[in-house]
Amino acid sequence: DTGVSQDPRHKITKRGQNVTFRCDPISEHNRLYWYRQTLGQGPEFLTYFQNEAQLEKSRLLSDRFSAERPKGSFSTLEIQRTEQGDSAMYLCASSITLNTEAFFGQGTRLTVV
Amino acid sequence: ILNVEQSPQSLHVQEGDSTNFTCSFPSSNFYALHWYRWETAKSPEALFVMTLNGDEKKKGRISATLNTKEGYSYLYIKGSQPEDSATYLCAFLNQGGKLIFGQGTELSVKP
Repeated sequence: DTGVSQDPRHKITKRGQNVTFRCDPISEHNRLYWYRQTLGQGPEFLTYFQNEAQLEKSRLLSDRFSAERPKGSFSTLEIQRTEQGDSAMYLCASSITLNTEAFFGQGTRLTVV
Repeated sequence: ILNVEQSPQSLHVQEGDSTNFTCSFPSSNFYALHWYRWETAKSPEALFVMTLNGDEKKKGRISATLNTKEGYSYLYIKGSQPEDSATYLCAFLNQGGKLIFGQGTELSVKP
Protein backbone atom coordinates (compact mmCIF):
# COMPACT_ATOMS: atom_id res chain seq x y z
CA ASP A 1 0.00 0.00 0.00
CA THR A 2 1.53 3.27 -1.10
CA GLY A 3 -0.56 5.65 0.95
CA VAL A 4 -3.31 8.09 0.07
CA SER A 5 -3.38 8.85 -3.64
CA GLN A 6 -4.96 11.90 -5.27
CA ASP A 7 -5.55 12.51 -8.93
CA PRO A 8 -4.85 14.75 -10.74
CA ARG A 9 -1.98 16.52 -9.01
CA HIS A 10 -2.62 19.71 -10.91
CA LYS A 11 -5.65 21.04 -12.73
CA ILE A 12 -6.04 24.25 -14.69
CA THR A 13 -9.56 25.04 -15.77
CA LYS A 14 -11.51 27.93 -17.19
CA ARG A 15 -14.03 29.73 -15.04
CA GLY A 16 -17.43 28.15 -15.36
CA GLN A 17 -16.17 24.64 -16.09
CA ASN A 18 -16.80 21.64 -13.87
CA VAL A 19 -13.93 19.71 -12.32
CA THR A 20 -13.74 16.39 -10.50
CA PHE A 21 -10.96 15.17 -8.24
CA ARG A 22 -10.36 11.65 -7.02
CA CYS A 23 -8.95 10.36 -3.76
CA ASP A 24 -7.93 6.77 -3.08
CA PRO A 25 -7.48 6.29 0.66
CA ILE A 26 -5.30 3.72 2.32
CA SER A 27 -6.95 0.33 2.10
CA GLU A 28 -9.27 -0.41 5.06
CA HIS A 29 -9.32 3.20 6.20
CA ASN A 30 -12.99 3.86 6.84
CA ARG A 31 -12.72 7.60 7.46
CA LEU A 32 -12.02 9.97 4.63
CA TYR A 33 -11.69 13.76 4.79
CA TRP A 34 -11.56 16.53 2.20
CA TYR A 35 -9.90 19.88 2.91
CA ARG A 36 -9.13 23.03 0.97
CA GLN A 37 -5.93 24.95 1.64
CA THR A 38 -4.94 28.39 0.45
CA LEU A 39 -1.65 30.18 0.90
CA GLY A 40 -0.80 30.90 4.51
CA GLN A 41 -3.83 29.10 5.89
CA GLY A 42 -4.34 25.73 7.49
CA PRO A 43 -6.48 23.03 5.87
CA GLU A 44 -10.11 24.17 5.79
CA PHE A 45 -12.62 21.41 6.45
CA LEU A 46 -14.91 20.60 3.52
CA THR A 47 -16.54 17.25 4.29
CA TYR A 48 -15.92 13.80 5.69
CA PHE A 49 -17.11 10.22 5.30
CA GLN A 50 -17.31 7.15 7.43
CA ASN A 51 -17.35 4.33 4.92
CA GLU A 52 -19.86 5.43 2.25
CA ALA A 53 -21.81 7.75 4.55
CA GLN A 54 -21.15 11.48 4.25
CA LEU A 55 -21.38 12.64 7.87
CA GLU A 56 -21.01 16.37 7.48
CA LYS A 57 -20.45 19.03 4.86
CA SER A 58 -19.08 22.44 5.72
CA ARG A 59 -21.73 25.16 5.85
CA LEU A 60 -19.17 27.41 4.19
CA LEU A 61 -19.43 25.37 1.02
CA SER A 62 -21.83 26.37 -1.68
CA ASP A 63 -24.06 23.92 -3.48
CA ARG A 64 -21.51 23.89 -6.29
CA PHE A 65 -19.41 21.46 -4.25
CA SER A 66 -20.37 17.82 -3.91
CA ALA A 67 -18.55 14.74 -2.75
CA GLU A 68 -19.24 11.05 -2.95
CA ARG A 69 -17.69 7.88 -1.68
CA PRO A 70 -19.46 4.99 -3.38
CA LYS A 71 -18.89 1.62 -1.74
CA GLY A 72 -16.77 3.23 0.94
CA SER A 73 -13.57 3.08 -1.06
CA PHE A 74 -12.36 5.94 -3.27
CA SER A 75 -13.98 9.36 -3.11
CA THR A 76 -14.64 12.10 -5.64
CA LEU A 77 -14.99 15.83 -5.09
CA GLU A 78 -16.78 17.77 -7.81
CA ILE A 79 -16.88 21.52 -8.21
CA GLN A 80 -19.46 22.81 -10.65
CA ARG A 81 -19.25 26.16 -12.44
CA THR A 82 -15.82 26.91 -11.05
CA GLU A 83 -14.94 30.43 -9.92
CA GLN A 84 -11.55 32.06 -9.47
CA GLY A 85 -12.03 31.89 -5.71
CA ASP A 86 -12.02 28.10 -5.96
CA SER A 87 -8.32 28.15 -6.81
CA ALA A 88 -6.61 26.29 -3.97
CA MET A 89 -4.96 23.04 -2.94
CA TYR A 90 -7.51 20.31 -2.29
CA LEU A 91 -6.31 17.73 0.21
CA CYS A 92 -7.67 14.32 1.01
CA ALA A 93 -6.86 12.36 4.18
CA SER A 94 -7.90 9.02 5.59
CA SER A 95 -7.76 7.29 8.94
CA ILE A 96 -8.59 3.82 10.14
CA THR A 97 -10.18 4.66 13.49
CA LEU A 98 -10.87 7.65 15.72
CA ASN A 99 -7.77 6.81 17.75
CA THR A 100 -5.27 7.06 14.91
CA GLU A 101 -3.77 9.86 12.90
CA ALA A 102 -4.92 10.94 9.48
CA PHE A 103 -2.73 10.22 6.48
CA PHE A 104 -2.73 12.80 3.72
CA GLY A 105 -2.44 12.60 -0.01
CA GLN A 106 -0.23 15.03 -1.89
CA GLY A 107 -3.18 17.15 -2.90
CA THR A 108 -4.68 18.47 -6.11
CA ARG A 109 -3.77 22.03 -6.96
CA LEU A 110 -6.61 23.74 -8.80
CA THR A 111 -6.12 26.92 -10.76
CA VAL A 112 -9.19 28.61 -12.22
CA VAL A 113 -8.38 31.10 -14.97
CA ILE B 1 -18.66 26.63 14.65
CA LEU B 2 -15.49 24.92 15.84
CA ASN B 3 -12.54 27.26 16.34
CA VAL B 4 -9.02 25.94 16.57
CA GLU B 5 -6.52 28.71 17.12
CA GLN B 6 -2.74 28.51 16.94
CA SER B 7 -0.14 30.98 18.03
CA PRO B 8 2.16 32.39 17.02
CA GLN B 9 1.38 32.49 13.31
CA SER B 10 5.09 32.40 12.50
CA LEU B 11 8.33 32.06 14.38
CA HIS B 12 11.93 32.71 13.35
CA VAL B 13 14.62 31.26 15.61
CA GLN B 14 18.31 30.47 15.55
CA GLU B 15 19.65 26.95 15.48
CA GLY B 16 19.83 25.63 19.02
CA ASP B 17 16.96 27.74 20.37
CA SER B 18 14.06 26.00 22.04
CA THR B 19 10.58 26.94 20.89
CA ASN B 20 6.99 26.35 21.84
CA PHE B 21 3.66 26.79 20.13
CA THR B 22 0.13 26.96 21.45
CA CYS B 23 -3.07 25.39 20.17
CA SER B 24 -6.44 26.27 21.70
CA PHE B 25 -9.58 24.29 20.96
CA PRO B 26 -13.14 23.79 22.25
CA SER B 27 -13.25 22.02 25.59
CA SER B 28 -16.58 20.34 24.81
CA ASN B 29 -17.23 17.31 22.59
CA PHE B 30 -13.51 16.49 22.68
CA TYR B 31 -12.16 13.20 21.41
CA ALA B 32 -8.52 13.83 20.47
CA LEU B 33 -5.96 16.47 19.60
CA HIS B 34 -3.54 15.88 16.73
CA TRP B 35 -0.26 17.58 15.88
CA TYR B 36 1.15 17.46 12.35
CA ARG B 37 4.30 18.73 10.67
CA TRP B 38 3.91 20.05 7.14
CA GLU B 39 7.05 20.59 5.12
CA THR B 40 7.02 22.50 1.87
CA ALA B 41 6.06 20.37 -1.14
CA LYS B 42 5.14 17.43 1.07
CA SER B 43 1.97 16.17 2.75
CA PRO B 44 1.25 16.83 6.44
CA GLU B 45 2.63 14.05 8.65
CA ALA B 46 1.38 13.21 12.10
CA LEU B 47 3.55 13.88 15.12
CA PHE B 48 1.19 13.04 17.96
CA VAL B 49 -2.36 11.94 18.69
CA MET B 50 -3.39 12.86 22.23
CA THR B 51 -6.60 11.81 23.90
CA LEU B 52 -6.33 12.11 27.68
CA ASN B 53 -6.22 15.22 29.81
CA GLY B 54 -2.67 15.59 31.08
CA ASP B 55 -1.22 13.53 28.23
CA GLU B 56 2.42 14.19 27.45
CA LYS B 57 3.99 12.78 24.30
CA LYS B 58 7.60 12.89 23.15
CA LYS B 59 9.37 12.07 19.92
CA GLY B 60 13.06 12.91 19.93
CA ARG B 61 13.43 16.64 20.58
CA ILE B 62 9.71 17.32 20.12
CA SER B 63 7.16 16.97 22.88
CA ALA B 64 3.55 17.97 23.47
CA THR B 65 1.18 18.41 26.38
CA LEU B 66 -2.60 18.42 26.53
CA ASN B 67 -5.13 20.14 28.78
CA THR B 68 -8.64 19.18 27.70
CA LYS B 69 -10.41 20.94 30.56
CA GLU B 70 -9.16 24.37 29.55
CA GLY B 71 -8.80 23.52 25.86
CA TYR B 72 -5.13 23.98 25.03
CA SER B 73 -2.08 22.03 23.93
CA TYR B 74 1.56 23.03 23.74
CA LEU B 75 4.17 21.73 21.31
CA TYR B 76 7.81 22.10 22.34
CA ILE B 77 10.94 21.74 20.23
CA LYS B 78 14.18 21.53 22.15
CA GLY B 79 17.36 22.69 20.43
CA SER B 80 15.77 23.61 17.09
CA GLN B 81 17.60 22.49 13.95
CA PRO B 82 17.22 23.83 10.39
CA GLU B 83 15.47 20.59 9.41
CA ASP B 84 12.72 21.45 11.92
CA SER B 85 11.65 24.30 9.64
CA ALA B 86 8.06 23.55 8.66
CA THR B 87 4.47 24.50 9.42
CA TYR B 88 3.13 22.85 12.56
CA LEU B 89 -0.60 22.16 12.56
CA CYS B 90 -2.84 21.13 15.37
CA ALA B 91 -6.23 19.54 14.75
CA PHE B 92 -9.22 18.99 17.02
CA LEU B 93 -11.12 15.73 16.61
CA ASN B 94 -14.64 15.76 18.01
CA GLN B 95 -16.59 12.74 19.17
CA GLY B 96 -18.36 12.52 15.83
CA GLY B 97 -15.06 12.15 14.02
CA LYS B 98 -14.84 15.63 12.51
CA LEU B 99 -11.21 16.78 12.30
CA ILE B 100 -10.70 20.56 12.31
CA PHE B 101 -7.31 22.16 11.77
CA GLY B 102 -5.85 25.38 13.07
CA GLN B 103 -4.15 27.82 10.74
CA GLY B 104 -0.70 26.54 11.66
CA THR B 105 2.52 27.96 13.05
CA GLU B 106 5.26 28.46 10.47
CA LEU B 107 8.68 27.79 11.99
CA SER B 108 11.90 28.93 10.37
CA VAL B 109 15.20 27.85 11.95
CA LYS B 110 18.31 29.67 10.77
CA PRO B 111 21.71 27.96 10.91
